Amino acid sequence: DVKVTQSSRYLVKRTGEKVFLECVQDMDHENMFWYRQDPGLGLRLIYFSYDVKMKEKGDIPEGYSVSREKKERFSLILESASTNQTSMYLCASWGGVGELFFGEGSRLTVL
Amino acid sequence: GQQVMQIPQYQHVQEGEDFTTYCNSSTTLSNIQWYKQRPGGHPVFLIQLVKSGEVKKQKRLTFQFGEAKKNSSLHITATQTTDVGTYFCAGPGGSNYKLTFGKGTLLTVNP
Repeated sequence: DVKVTQSSRYLVKRTGEKVFLECVQDMDHENMFWYRQDPGLGLRLIYFSYDVKMKEKGDIPEGYSVSREKKERFSLILESASTNQTSMYLCASWGGVGELFFGEGSRLTVL
Repeated sequence: GQQVMQIPQYQHVQEGEDFTTYCNSSTTLSNIQWYKQRPGGHPVFLIQLVKSGEVKKQKRLTFQFGEAKKNSSLHITATQTTDVGTYFCAGPGGSNYKLTFGKGTLLTVNP
């Protein structure tokens, strides 16, 4: 059974903290993505990676960075969390054709 | 950049009524995908359409891809409470490496 695993389902952080969200896939996919989901705004792409150590900005990269040191792992980093980054974060993996596989999501609350 | 517009944003129906959501792209798409996200869940792939004018069915769900490959629709016949969720369309987003999602249609069904 294919899997995309996100390290934390729920996180509560304080403003200014550094936050790491980790995502691991077991499908040997080249492409991985971080989306943010907010009510009424759909799925907005933050960053994606099409190969190890390669990354590209999505539609809303400000305030975020990413790391892809190994093929199976794609990390989203909030250098200094702010309250407007409270959201649901979804990681996805894609083999280049066909469907995206999503993780369960990480709901981040920044106080 | 490429935009994928989806309407309506919300739809509430009585159980047994039909439901349709529409997706329009600002550019011609090589393919279009549909996903369903149950409340509290993550998006799950439903189908991919590739050919101009293509129609595919999955039980009570009918998916269409427009002749110009710029629009698509999802129609559910005789909705059931299990159909509740948000339906997203997604198309290749101006890059070989990513998909652009519509904002989704949230369907609620009154039993």
